Amino acid sequence: DAGVIQSPRHEVTEMGQEVTLRCKPISGHDYLFWYRQTMMRGLELLIYFNNNVPIDDSGMPEDRFSAKMPNASFSTLKIQPSEPRDSAVYFCASSFVAGPHRDTQYFGPGTRLTVL
Amino acid sequence: GENVEQHPSTLSVQEGDSAVIKCTYSDSASNYFPWYKQELGKRPQLIIDIRSNVGEKKDQRIAVTLNKTAKHFSLHITETQPEDSAVYFCAASKVGASGGSYIPTFGRGTSLIVHP
Repeated sequence: DAGVIQSPRHEVTEMGQEVTLRCKPISGHDYLFWYRQTMMRGLELLIYFNNNVPIDDSGMPEDRFSAKMPNASFSTLKIQPSEPRDSAVYFCASSFVAGPHRDTQYFGPGTRLTVL
Repeated sequence: GENVEQHPSTLSVQEGDSAVIKCTYSDSASNYFPWYKQELGKRPQLIIDIRSNVGEKKDQRIAVTLNKTAKHFSLHITETQPEDSAVYFCAASKVGASGGSYIPTFGRGTSLIVHP
């Protein structure tokens, strides 16, 4: 398996623009997580899905952020409109609830977002 | 919610020395404690984990100890090498709202620098 795949790897946009980050989890994993990493706040859990259903979005900072998982192999995190304070590295991670590696979070390479 | 404190924020050691990173947590329902290593510009990756029914776990030069009564756990790295230089994150995890997988709350991270 190629691991968790994220795109784009880098995104530079202007304030007010819509940004869409994409994630493909590891095949067979039933949990998907979106994180935001900044120097100031560390690694924050934004939202997670179980079997494509959003379970807890209490970490989503504001209504400008939304996430979807239309099927088991794809998820998006959208920011509309974007603001400079949204600049961060956004990680997607997936995990599986069974087996010897249960609960291990497998992270994607991240998307570095810069909002000017 | 869960609160994880991690210390120190920066740790500088000489090659061959030992390094210890400590974390405390607040929620007694947490019972899975993974540690992740993040090299500069890379994704976090699991290096070791411990579940609450175990007090200590070792894997070559790394070990983790857990004191559930005191709600603290530690990462120990012996015979440090320059390639151990990275940011290390602890996490305290408990089963999420949907059951199944453990959902982590991460510490702020420790930047370990190993000088040759």
